This record gives sequence, structure tokens and C-alpha cells, in this order.
Amino acid sequence: AQKITQTQPGMFVQEKEAVTLDCTYDTSDQSYGLFWYKQPSSGEMIFLIYQGSYDEQNATEGRYSLNFQKARKSANLVISASQLGDSAMYFCAMRESYSASKIIFGSGTRLSIRP
Amino acid sequence: EPEVTQTPSHQVTQMGQEVILRCVPISNHLYFYWYRQILGQKVEFLVSFYNNEISEKSEIFDDQFSVERPDGSNFTLKIRSTKLEDSAMYFCASSGRDRGPEETQYFGPGTRLLVL
Repeated sequence: AQKITQTQPGMFVQEKEAVTLDCTYDTSDQSYGLFWYKQPSSGEMIFLIYQGSYDEQNATEGRYSLNFQKARKSANLVISASQLGDSAMYFCAMRESYSASKIIFGSGTRLSIRP
Repeated sequence: EPEVTQTPSHQVTQMGQEVILRCVPISNHLYFYWYRQILGQKVEFLVSFYNNEISEKSEIFDDQFSVERPDGSNFTLKIRSTKLEDSAMYFCASSGRDRGPEETQYFGPGTRLLVL
């Protein structure tokens, strides 16, 4: 079974609009971390935002926020006031438990911002 | 802001040749990782490294792969005898501490390896 599922392979959004990128995850661990990374066309992986499984409030970092719904096992990324520079591939990822060191990535969503 | 650096940015090699990919993690970080991303696919974990030994590795990380921290700053991934299917972007990452799922791994810009 997929640990991280991103159901939107591609999205087009008008500049200045808000956009939500979907992510669901599957784990039996009680303690885990959820991450979003951005990969522009140049290829690097840029950390955007983190949400811990025990965090009661949704994480926010500037224009990025994470809509964390634990019971539904979803961790959607919300980008407010999108900009042309937001065009990139976005990966949802999870790190399970205290024993695992690896991050498991989803297949990504390619976001394109229209001017 | 401190960052992970990787060299070279691109590497082209012949099948069967050995390659060494180099990384300089963030200076006060203790945990180091290698991931790879085959073109158009998801990022896959290869190996994690702490205190001069491998702490976790994936099925991909077979005997042709090895990692080393030869000095206080560099972290290397060696592929002994490259295959066509090793062509991928290889990312190095580092984190400050491994205690807990909350520790963020910061990625380098990647080395794009092409095996001919």
C-alpha cells in the first residue's frame, strides 16, 4: 500500500489565487512527521513546512499552511496568493516513528501558475 | 543560511565505471542521508548514516553502493560499477538530530548522474 498518496498529478492555478495540494498518508505509528518539499525545474529539493502528528495547530510558514486532519490522515498544503515562482513540483513526505530515519515521498503534484 | 552542497552537479560516466558523489552537509548536523530520484519518479531513500556507520538502508542500497565520511566535512556516495539504471538525480540530505520524526532533513541541490 502507498504510504503517501498525492492524487493530483498536475494543477493549473491563476496567479494570486490560493491553491490546495492534496496529500493523504498511511501509517500505524502514533508519532510521525509530515513534510512538504518544493522541487523547481532546476531540480533542488526545498523544504517548505513541517507538521508533527501531535501538533494541535496547523503549521504555517509565510504563504504556506498545512491543513492537517489527523482522523482523515490528510495533510494538504495550502499556498495563499500564488506567485509565478510557485510553479514547481510539490512533494508530500512522511517520516514514521522514532526508529525510522528515512523520509517517504509521494509521487508529487506539478503546479503551474498562470499569469 | 547554512545549506547542503553537492559536487559535481552533473556527472556522465560509462557503464561499469566507479563514481563518487560528494556532499558537504550543514556543519552542525549529525545525520546524513542519500536519496535518489529517477527521472519522472518519486524520491527514494537509499541510506542514512550516523556516527560513522550506516543506521538504515533500503533494498536499493546493495553491495555496489557504499558511503563514507572521510573527514569532518564531506560525506560521499560511491557506486562501484555503474549500471544504466543508476542514472538518476542523487540527493544528499542532513539533519541535526535523528531523535524523533520531527527532525527536518535539508536537501542539497543534487547530482544528476547519467550512465551511458
